[in-house]
Amino acid sequence: DAKTTQPPSMDCAEGRAANLPCNHSTISGNEYVYWYRQIHSQGPQYIIHGLKNNETNEMASLIITEDRKSSTLILPHATLRDTAVYYCIVRVRSGGSNYKLTFGKGTLLTVNP
Amino acid sequence: GAGVSQSPSNKVTEKGKDVELRCDPISGHTALYWYRQSLGQGLEFLIYFQGNSAPDKSGLPSDRFSAERTGGSVSTLTIQRTQQEDSAVYLCASSSSGAYTEAFFGQGTRLTVV
Repeated sequence: DAKTTQPPSMDCAEGRAANLPCNHSTISGNEYVYWYRQIHSQGPQYIIHGLKNNETNEMASLIITEDRKSSTLILPHATLRDTAVYYCIVRVRSGGSNYKLTFGKGTLLTVNP
Repeated sequence: GAGVSQSPSNKVTEKGKDVELRCDPISGHTALYWYRQSLGQGLEFLIYFQGNSAPDKSGLPSDRFSAERTGGSVSTLTIQRTQQEDSAVYLCASSSSGAYTEAFFGQGTRLTVV
């Protein structure tokens, strides 16, 4: 899996958009970008994933640069319950049977009242 | 079941004892993962099962660690001769086949070796 680089921590005011960056400059053409988050003392939770097009679901939006070397996860209206560690992961799309998710250290997002 | 179930939720064991951790994946999910997370650390990959393929054991830290998945469903992670450094939360996840699918995690088993 390609390595990812994320800032160790970020702060965001409640109600504002949280923009979490991720660098994956060595990403290959068949690797997807996945985002998970882990709220304290819970198992990780899937948020969103994408290949090259921007994606949006009920939780967040994912913006992937045209060269695919970086991406941004956007939480449009952060709440206190969004305080968590956010993990950016790249994962092989196809070929072989190795689809394992390799987690880095992630970004601790703290949403402040 | 409704989600990935792990048991026990907490386990305290004496150094040198063997422990078994159980994971019940979501019904029909062919892929199953084990991770561990030490206090304040990220998730460390341990082992991955996908259908009938040979498991990816590349993350197992030593030969004291082993895992099996019977009948393509329930999985057991076994740690022999436990050491204090084995203390961590052990997380299991499952997903349906294919590389596009999300993995669902259980709540983990907190293992404490005293």
